[in-house]
Amino acid sequence: EADIYQTPRYLVIGTGKKITLECSQTMGHDKMYWYQQDPGMELHLIHYSYGVNSTEKGDLSSESTVSRIRTEHFPLTLESARPSHTSQYLCASSEYTRSGNTIYFGEGSWLTVV
Amino acid sequence: GENVEQHPSTLSVQEGDSAVIKCTYSDSASNYFPWYKQELGKGPQLIIDIRSNVGEKKDQRIAVTLNKTAKHFSLHITETQPEDSAVYFCAASKGGSYIPTFGRGTSLIVHP
Repeated sequence: EADIYQTPRYLVIGTGKKITLECSQTMGHDKMYWYQQDPGMELHLIHYSYGVNSTEKGDLSSESTVSRIRTEHFPLTLESARPSHTSQYLCASSEYTRSGNTIYFGEGSWLTVV
Repeated sequence: GENVEQHPSTLSVQEGDSAVIKCTYSDSASNYFPWYKQELGKGPQLIIDIRSNVGEKKDQRIAVTLNKTAKHFSLHITETQPEDSAVYFCAASKGGSYIPTFGRGTSLIVHP
């Protein structure tokens, strides 16, 4: 099992502010992901990383950016938040087991932009 | 690319009944099928998974079945309890790919 830590869990910020959502994992997983999810709705992949210095955009276009300088850390940044960015953001990491590529999710960061 | 359809979107059952959630996939190369449970306010958690070389897998009240020919797999929950109420997601992925395709989710409500 992986331990994925996301901070902050809840954040309310004003339009135009810059914010960074932090994500850390302690299992040494190379693969990490960011998903965007509206309450009870589909999971949309917005960014992923195969390892240090690797970042890729996901299926859903996002104005956010990510970085992967350390294996355990995969922060997501919004340079200028807008109300349309209000959502839940889920960080995840994965390991390849005998079954397949198993993804482990964090508890999520709920972002509200007012 | 892979496409995963999940049905129903909402499922309401009485405590003690069984619940079945079905998913179909399009890519015959997919070979790994996990199921996730997401409780309110939390991230999805893996509850059971199955590989394509296995037809059925059980873990207490939860079972998953896979029909490779028809390209569909199902989650079965027996003797449902109120704490089973959550959103369930199926997913499919293939060897060498680290990006699974998720279904749209099923909201299961178990009435006491």
